[in-house]
Amino acid sequence: EIVLTQSPGTLSLSPGERATLSCRASQSISSSYLAWYQQKPGQAPRLLIYGASSRATGIPDRFSGSGSGTDFILTISRLEPEDFAVYYCQQYGSSPRTFGQGTKVEIK
Amino acid sequence: EVQLLESGGGLVQPGGSLRLSCAASGFTFSSYAMSWVRQAPGKGLEWVSAIIGSGGTTYYADSVKGQFTISRDNSKNTLYLQMNSLRAEDTAVYYCAKVGGWTPNAPFDYWGQGTLVTVSS
Repeated sequence: EIVLTQSPGTLSLSPGERATLSCRASQSISSSYLAWYQQKPGQAPRLLIYGASSRATGIPDRFSGSGSGTDFILTISRLEPEDFAVYYCQQYGSSPRTFGQGTKVEIK
Repeated sequence: EVQLLESGGGLVQPGGSLRLSCAASGFTFSSYAMSWVRQAPGKGLEWVSAIIGSGGTTYYADSVKGQFTISRDNSKNTLYLQMNSLRAEDTAVYYCAKVGGWTPNAPFDYWGQGTLVTVSS
């Protein structure tokens, strides 16, 4: 099983600042089968990024993903008020599918 | 517009059973794999099970293997999760998620709003 470790656990930032979230895998993820999701309280997760760096439909370009192998990054270039949420990475290249434990981006 | 509507959650005693359903619309249901993901109260996301578009192949997390059964009825555009021998640790919101491809090697591009399963005496 591929274990995904996200850091930091919580990120305290102000609107307009840049957010950098990390996801490290316990083994290499094939074909960059890594996704990022955003979840707000009381809501279902929403797909942001797939294939490590491709934005899902309707996702603003302030969200970007990068990385390969075992190290992946989600960057939010300038935080908008609606971006404060929990973010999860997930690998879908091997079974079982696994998620990271999440990074909470909170308002400073 | 893709819509996924879960139902069937509720309060069940330990050792009991429940069947969750997920009614899908807005896409060609049989062309896509589907999955169940759960989230215990205040916790992160846990993948539970997946099924390919034809229904011919299924996948399970070790934590539910032999306990849960995923299935689908492509004529009714509906996904199911039969949950038996439920335990307190199965308490969670269960999400139905559409996989972005016919096989499970794709991200979850659409999610339902979830249905809460509470296992308690």
